This record gives sequence, structure tokens and C-alpha cells, in this order.
Amino acid sequence: AQSVTQLGSHVSVSEGALVLLRCNYSSSVPPYLFWYVQYPNQGLQLLLKYTSAATLVKGINGFEAEFKKSETSFHLTKPSAHMSDAAEYFCAVRRGDSYDKEIFGPGTSLSVIP
Amino acid sequence: EAQVTQNPRYLITVTGKKLTVTCSQNMNHEYMSWYRQDPGLGLRQIYYSMNVEVTDKGDVPEGYKVSRKEKRNFPLILESPSPNQTSLYFCASSPEVGNQPQHFGDGTRLSIL
Repeated sequence: AQSVTQLGSHVSVSEGALVLLRCNYSSSVPPYLFWYVQYPNQGLQLLLKYTSAATLVKGINGFEAEFKKSETSFHLTKPSAHMSDAAEYFCAVRRGDSYDKEIFGPGTSLSVIP
Repeated sequence: EAQVTQNPRYLITVTGKKLTVTCSQNMNHEYMSWYRQDPGLGLRQIYYSMNVEVTDKGDVPEGYKVSRKEKRNFPLILESPSPNQTSLYFCASSPEVGNQPQHFGDGTRLSIL
């Protein structure tokens, strides 16, 4: 069975500082991994996805994530935070060998301090 | 424009009064799903559908019903709503391909008094 943990329900960074949001997964087979962002009063939007090609994945708005199989991690980073990055971020995992449902982590709320 | 449309966006109602939240997608996706989002719990799947006339329970199906009579529509039905179903609900769809992400609606905020 798949599962996802996100360390830190709330993260605060200063504008211009590095953003690091942590995601660890558990999967019995090679997974597909996704990061979604949710802005207030909106649905989730895809930031980036890992589908067994390159381990370093680049997404929208300057975000990227690195798949590390040995650490079962898929942490999300951005070199320089912008005020508009303040949102809720969700990591999700899905089986990579057959179609199956997506399992979401509990989410991390990112605040950006001016 | 590719989208998932939910209605209503907001609803305040009373215990026991049947309600339906509609969901429609225009991308010809096979897979559709309903989630509820509660603080600290992330998204939990209520029901999902792999295709027309095929539905199955997710992790928290109690108190909910769904139907999939057409590919584009996947309504969520609360036959006798209770206060513990007060939540933010999302409908999502995706192609039946494992490496494709889901597309989400903008959400429906339900308050059951």
C-alpha cells in the first residue's frame, strides 16, 4: 500500500529565502509522485510530477523536486520565495505499475514573510 | 478550456435535508473522484469511478452516494446530511493512465447545521 508523510504542517520563510517542503513516501512498487498547490478558495493545481524519467523534476513557478529512492523522498524546493508562493502544498503518490488511486499527504501550509 | 466544474460552490443547509453536489468534466476522462478536505487531514477520498456505471468506495464513503450514468458527470449525493459532513469537497478527474495528474474543481464548501 502507498502512503505519504509531509514533515511540518506549517512552514514560514522570508521573502527571497529558500523554500524546502518535505515529502516522504512508502510504496511497494516504483511510484509516480506529484506535488500540487492550493491557493485560497481554489482547487489543487499540479506543480510537478515524477514518472520514472529524470530524478530531478522541474515544475511551474520555479519549483523543483528531486526523487531519491534510497531515502524514499520527494522534497519540493524553490531557491527564492515570493509572496505569491504562500499557499497549501500537497504531495501525492500513486502506484507506477498499474492504474490506482492517488494517496495524498496531509499538506503543508507555506507562509512567506515580507 | 479544460475544466472540472462543481456546483454549488457554497451551501448552508440543515441536518437531514437531501442534497446533491454536481460535478462535470469536459476532458473525456475515464477516472473521476470525490474528496473531502478537513484541516490537518489533507484530502480523503470518498468515492471514485473508473468509467461509466463503475463506482467504488474510497476511504470515507459512509453517508455518501454517487452515480456515473454519463462519462462527463459524477454527482455526489448526501441523502441525510449530518453536521460531521461539514467540509470542503473536491471533484477530480484524470485519464486512466497512471502518470497523469488529476484535474480538480474549485471546491464546494458545505455547512450542515
